Amino acid sequence: AQKVTQAQTEISVVEKEDVTLDCVYETRDTTYYLFWYKQPPSGELVFLIRRNSFDEQNEISGRYSWNFQKSTSSFNFTITASQVVDSAVYFCALSEASNYGQNFVFGPGTRLSVLP
Amino acid sequence: EAGVVQSPRYKIIEKKQPVAFWCNPISGHNTLYWYRQNLGQGPELLIRYENEEAVDDSQLPKDRFSAERLKGVDSTLKIQPAELGDSAVYLCASSLDAGYGTQYFGPGTRLLVL
Repeated sequence: AQKVTQAQTEISVVEKEDVTLDCVYETRDTTYYLFWYKQPPSGELVFLIRRNSFDEQNEISGRYSWNFQKSTSSFNFTITASQVVDSAVYFCALSEASNYGQNFVFGPGTRLSVLP
Repeated sequence: EAGVVQSPRYKIIEKKQPVAFWCNPISGHNTLYWYRQNLGQGPELLIRYENEEAVDDSQLPKDRFSAERLKGVDSTLKIQPAELGDSAVYLCASSLDAGYGTQYFGPGTRLLVL
């Protein structure tokens, strides 16, 4: 079973629309971290946010917001008033304990296209 | 502060040839990771170092892949011999701590094996 599921393979929106990227994770640990990364066409993965399992407070950073719900094992990402520069592949990731100290797993990614 | 540096950015080789990738992590980051990212997929961990020790190489195909981090700073990932299926982007990342630390990624090396 996939540890991190991003059910939306591709999303297209028109500039200024709001868009939500879904992320569902699976872990048996009580302590874990969740991340979102952005990968623009240039290829470099850019860190966006890190959340620990004990902090369910939603976070807002400019046009970006994140909704963490342990009850549904989801960590969704919303972009408000999307812009063309938001076009990228977005990855959700889970960090949990493992036999090797840490297991860091990426989801398959969601490709977001923001059209002008 | 300089980010993670990788070289080369692109590499084209013929199958059965050797290839090596180099990574310089963010200064002070003790943990270093090598990932492989196939087209249309998320990165997959190959190996993780804490200082100069490889603490997780369970996903590294050891018959043809090797890695080293001799002085606990720079790292090299090698493939010998390369196969067609090795075509991918090889990403290096580093983090300050080995627990649940945030990983910061380099630009990657795009490898094409012909």
